[in-house]
Amino acid sequence: DQQVKQNSPSLSVQEGRISILNCDYTNSMFDYFLWYKKYPAEGPTFLISISSIKDKNEDGRFTVFLNKSAKHLSLHIVPSQPGDSAVYFCAARVSGGYQKVTFGTGTKLQVIP
Amino acid sequence: AAGVIQSPRHLIKEKRETATLKCYPIPRHDTVYWYQQGPGQDPQFLISFYEKMQSDKGSIPDRFSAQQFSDYHSELNMSSLELGDSALYFCATTGGNTEAFFGQGTRLTVV
Repeated sequence: DQQVKQNSPSLSVQEGRISILNCDYTNSMFDYFLWYKKYPAEGPTFLISISSIKDKNEDGRFTVFLNKSAKHLSLHIVPSQPGDSAVYFCAARVSGGYQKVTFGTGTKLQVIP
Repeated sequence: AAGVIQSPRHLIKEKRETATLKCYPIPRHDTVYWYQQGPGQDPQFLISFYEKMQSDKGSIPDRFSAQQFSDYHSELNMSSLELGDSALYFCATTGGNTEAFFGQGTRLTVV
């Protein structure tokens, strides 16, 4: 049962354009959402997060949008840079000291110079 | 700033051997999670510990066990290794915050 889904396994974007990565979840108990960036053979690197009490969080070129009614979130990268090329994992958890993070299947982003 | 440390970074074992992976959390983090990522797969949750007690269990085989020690570091013990155990193993830690920070992972290759 995949509780966090990323339906696009890959995405190619021209440098300077906007990258939009999408994520859907099914567990209504999730109240905290995270995006991780991962290079091959490295651990996931935390990128940005959003609490369910917000619908938008921005950090530099990265913005995450949350639509709770649709159980959907997205990560926008503007402008996209070649160094952004990596696999991006959407993740979700229930707030609490020991609640695990549940990952999506990942979207491979390629930014073309 | 100190990050999550995993050791070793790479490990090669033969079938039926035993492996021990270690995870050292960020200072003051009391929760450790273990994940396994096979080739072309998303990270799968194995097991977690909170304040040295097992807090959640995922798809961890019976051949694997783990524990968290008094200094909050954790060890994942894997016995009777199989070829299918070859994967990247990540640990992540939290300290009551909602973000989980990951180590660089241990690449286990079973031959």
